[in-house]
Amino acid sequence: DAGVIQSPRHEVTEMGQEVTLRCKPISGHDYLFWYRQTMMRGLELLIYFNNNVPIDDSGMPEDRFSAKMPNASFSTLKIQPSEPRDSAVYFCASSREGTAYNEQFFGPGTRLTVL
Amino acid sequence: QKEVEQNSGPLSVPEGAIASLNCTYSDRVSQSFFWYRQYSGKSPELIMSIYSNGDKEDGRFTAQLNKASQYVSLLIRDSQPSDSATYLCAVNRGYSTLTFGKGTMLLVSP
Repeated sequence: DAGVIQSPRHEVTEMGQEVTLRCKPISGHDYLFWYRQTMMRGLELLIYFNNNVPIDDSGMPEDRFSAKMPNASFSTLKIQPSEPRDSAVYFCASSREGTAYNEQFFGPGTRLTVL
Repeated sequence: QKEVEQNSGPLSVPEGAIASLNCTYSDRVSQSFFWYRQYSGKSPELIMSIYSNGDKEDGRFTAQLNKASQYVSLLIRDSQPSDSATYLCAVNRGYSTLTFGKGTMLLVSP
């Protein structure tokens, strides 16, 4: 089975530009999570969805960040306008409801650099 | 107090030794616990899950959980240079989300 797929793998953009990150969860998984990882703050949960519905977006740092999940196989995280402090690795993860452990599986990540 | 705490390391061990990685958590209602391995420049990879007190073994890896003391550990036997990575401890409180520690860097020298 294919794992979590993310695109692009690397993104370099200039301050003020719009950035869109994409994620395809593992087929059959009900939960989708967006994380951000930096050296200073570690791995932070930004937002998560259950059955395509956003459940908790309290980790989204500012209104410049938004996320959507139009169907079970696709989600986007958008930053508009981007700032240099948004530079980080963004991971998408998914899990399946009803499993004993709620294990999450991560995609390869998108390394974002905002100049 | 941080929710999930790990020593940042690096923890240096010689090849063939046992590496012991520790994690403490603050929320007593936490129900399940995970160890992820993350190589430099890569994504976290799930290597162990545990939710009952005691030990759980999988190959060279053993996870140990003590809910009364609120700690979980990971033992790596016969450590190999390929085990050199950052190990992230994650805790689930019965909801769908995980809280991650900042990770411990492990260095295994040949």
